[in-house]
Amino acid sequence: KAGVTQTPRYLIKTRGQQVTLSCSPISGHRSVSWYQQTPGQGLQFLFEYFSETQRNKGNFPGRFSGRQFSNSRSEMNVSTLELGDSALYLCASSTGRTGGYTPNTEAFFGQGTRLTVV
Amino acid sequence: GDSVTQMEGPVTLSEEAFLTINCTYTATGYPSLFWYVQYPGEGLQLLLKATKADDKGSNKGFEATYRKETTSFHLEKGSVQVSDSAVYFCALSDPGAGSYQLTFGKGTKLSVIP
Repeated sequence: KAGVTQTPRYLIKTRGQQVTLSCSPISGHRSVSWYQQTPGQGLQFLFEYFSETQRNKGNFPGRFSGRQFSNSRSEMNVSTLELGDSALYLCASSTGRTGGYTPNTEAFFGQGTRLTVV
Repeated sequence: GDSVTQMEGPVTLSEEAFLTINCTYTATGYPSLFWYVQYPGEGLQLLLKATKADDKGSNKGFEATYRKETTSFHLEKGSVQVSDSAVYFCALSDPGAGSYQLTFGKGTKLSVIP
């Protein structure tokens, strides 16, 4: 079974630009979550999508957005990039279910996209 | 809101030493608890989990017990190996969140020297 695939693995962008990151979840998984990892703030939840609907969003500015397609693939977009957006962006997929929570649910993570803003 | 506090390290141990990484949490609901491990240049891998009080998660010689009375989920291993060198994250998922999301601790970097 293929794992979670994130593309690209590395990106270098200039301040003010925008960027789109992609995540293909494990086949059959309907929930996709995104996290930002930085040395200072650690791992922070960005948002979760289930069946093309955003169910929850973390405490990030509106420059961070995402979407999920009917095949469960997800993209996140960051507009007007700032130096502080430099981070490792991780995507996680899980089986998920309507109603949001199954105690035994395991999240499978991709290798991440390393974004550097210069 | 929910939070996870873990010792940040770094922790340096000799091979075959005993490992403990402390983790405590606060949550509004009755959370599930996890330990994830991150090797250099990689994403996170689930190491072990526990979903209710007194459950013990175990994997690859690592263990952690869900202690509701002390809101803790400490990670232990009796004899570490060089290959255990990585960053370890304690995390929780809270049913009150309405969606599947994880709240992580800051991570503990473990280095095991021969």
